[in-house]
Amino acid sequence: QKEVEQNSGPLSVPEGAIASLNCTYSDRVSQSFFWYRQYSGKSPELIMSIYSNGDKEDGRFTAQLNKASQYVSLLIRDSQPSDSATYLCAVNARADKIIFGKGTRLHILP
Amino acid sequence: DGGITQSPKYLFRKEGQNVTLSCEQNLNHDAMYWYRQDPGQGLRLIYYSQIVNDFQKGDIAEGYSVSREKKESFPLTVTSAQKNPTAFYLCASSIGQVYGYTFGSGTRLTVV
Repeated sequence: QKEVEQNSGPLSVPEGAIASLNCTYSDRVSQSFFWYRQYSGKSPELIMSIYSNGDKEDGRFTAQLNKASQYVSLLIRDSQPSDSATYLCAVNARADKIIFGKGTRLHILP
Repeated sequence: DGGITQSPKYLFRKEGQNVTLSCEQNLNHDAMYWYRQDPGQGLRLIYYSQIVNDFQKGDIAEGYSVSREKKESFPLTVTSAQKNPTAFYLCASSIGQVYGYTFGSGTRLTVV
């Protein structure tokens, strides 16, 4: 079983709609959860972190965590063409490193 | 401004040649990491270091070497033993796992 799983996409969403990105993880002791955005040819940028069950909102972004289901999601409201990128889910389960998923490609349709 | 600087941005390597990728940070982070990313693939961990003069192998360390003589610097050498080195190399640092990683802008290595 892969440690952090994401649908590779592409996920196509009309401009102005809500984009929903999902991630599951295998290690129940995971404590910290992150979403990174990576534009083509660029390095990943941390956009959200979440540590406890529930929702965390930051502007148009909402991260959701359900530790019982081992599930993390990222919602992007009022999607813009500039949101088109690959989104990486990352999980810190052990003391010394973070595990990354392979990413979901998001395409916002103008 | 604090950050991570990777150089060069583009690097070309001839067959059988060793090359060194630079990574410098002024964030005062203890931990530093090297990842490799291939097209359409996720990040694969090469080496990491949590303290000066100590480092550990990641998932794909064969054909690579590192050093950590200073807190600010974590250079990666791609040796001739690495048979498929063409990739995008990313350096990252962290003040602690709970805070996530900060990435440099990357070095794109191509074998010619």
